[in-house]
Amino acid sequence: QVQLVQSGAEVKKPGASVRVSCKAFGYTFTNFHMHWVRQAPGQGLEWMGVINPRHGGTTYAQQFQGRLSMTTDLSTSIVYMDMSSLRSDDTAVYFCMRDAECSATSCFHDWGLYWGQGTLVTVSS
Amino acid sequence: QSMLTQPPSTSGAPGQRVTISCSGSDSNIGTNTVNWFQQLPGSAPKLLIYGDSRRPSGVPDRISGSKSGTSASLAINGLQSEDEATYYCATWDVSLNYPWVIFGGGTQLTVL
Repeated sequence: QVQLVQSGAEVKKPGASVRVSCKAFGYTFTNFHMHWVRQAPGQGLEWMGVINPRHGGTTYAQQFQGRLSMTTDLSTSIVYMDMSSLRSDDTAVYFCMRDAECSATSCFHDWGLYWGQGTLVTVSS
Repeated sequence: QSMLTQPPSTSGAPGQRVTISCSGSDSNIGTNTVNWFQQLPGSAPKLLIYGDSRRPSGVPDRISGSKSGTSASLAINGLQSEDEATYYCATWDVSLNYPWVIFGGGTQLTVL
């Protein structure tokens, strides 16, 4: 069955970088885009960006451009989310979220059916 | 910047019906379909409704979604204690030079 398994919790100092991974199981990795969504403590969900694993094309939310990078490793079906210049307000749980399936002409709408378990990133001096 | 507006909280007694609204604009709900998510504390969100009104396998039919113009609604009939959670609406927005996913602020549902 489909599963998204994320890497473990991280503690970083302000100004540092972090890498969070999301390993996909149970489906053809290149057939589905992958999103990253974060949630600060006690707050709502915030979309960060999306990657197309087939060719590596990315779209990042405006507020993260310049310090966010998403990449994939096709040999291991892993998506990586790298964020640099961390600040205390980057403390959050980071989730990967699978997109909907698309054909050549249209997409289904069930994006968000599968999520990783979340990875807590704490930024503190 | 575009927003999806939800009431911060709502409540209902067991067995009652509750609805949660989600107000957007032409660039998001007015153009794209809406998904609804349920989130329990400490867990990842769970997809409840997609494509405005479709339920994934396993979601009971007492949960339904609808959309009209630039607003969407989630309805839960026969409220149960297990429904106590935070609910988020979400859709794509096209107001910037790239498509992006926008989430509502979330509605905390309390079962009295």
